[in-house]
Amino acid sequence: DAGITQSPRHKVTETGTPVTLRCHQTENHRYMYWYRQDPGHGLRLIHYSYGVKDTDKGEVSDGYSVSRSKTEDFLLTLESATSSQTSVYFCAISEGTSGFTYEQYFGPGTRLTVT
Amino acid sequence: GNSVTQMEGPVTLSEEAFLTINCTYTATGYPSLFWYVQYPGEGLQLLLKATKADDKGSNKGFEATYRKETTSFHLEKGSVQVSDSAVYFCALSDPISSGSARQLTFGSGTQLTVLP
Repeated sequence: DAGITQSPRHKVTETGTPVTLRCHQTENHRYMYWYRQDPGHGLRLIHYSYGVKDTDKGEVSDGYSVSRSKTEDFLLTLESATSSQTSVYFCAISEGTSGFTYEQYFGPGTRLTVT
Repeated sequence: GNSVTQMEGPVTLSEEAFLTINCTYTATGYPSLFWYVQYPGEGLQLLLKATKADDKGSNKGFEATYRKETTSFHLEKGSVQVSDSAVYFCALSDPISSGSARQLTFGSGTQLTVLP
């Protein structure tokens, strides 16, 4: 299994509070991604990173920011959590060059509830 | 843009039944195709992949063939087990349209339940 951990695994927070989720990898992969999973929507990309300090927006980036100061860590921040951000958040990594197949490997997820 | 359409679930089968989960896609380039599986309470695991037309991906008794002419990548298994109960996601990666993102586009997932 790819070495990907996410913390915390579960969090309950109140509307309006800031929340930071952490993704840590031990594979030294270049690409890192944050997705959210909601019923009926599959997985939707929030933000991604293609290197240290290189990040960009995905499909559903509003209300989220990210940072990557080290290859192994990718942080997702909800500046002011809202109930619509209640979801399961997955981090993924990709080497990006492995035979050009671009498969991604996923962490175990963080279940976030905003009350 | 890119999109993936999966058959709607949930799908319920008896043990040892034949499984087909349909997946069709729309892409601007020449995508790689994937099936991921998600067991309850866990992250997604790569099940199999195919990178070009007519490739067949296979793993753990599951198979899928990349059909460019029908833009499909249907998942099949000859004899399902209770342990195969999970959610299955079809996905594509289109490096031409996604550029530096190398992002995956996912279908909405199909819940499979196998009864003993």
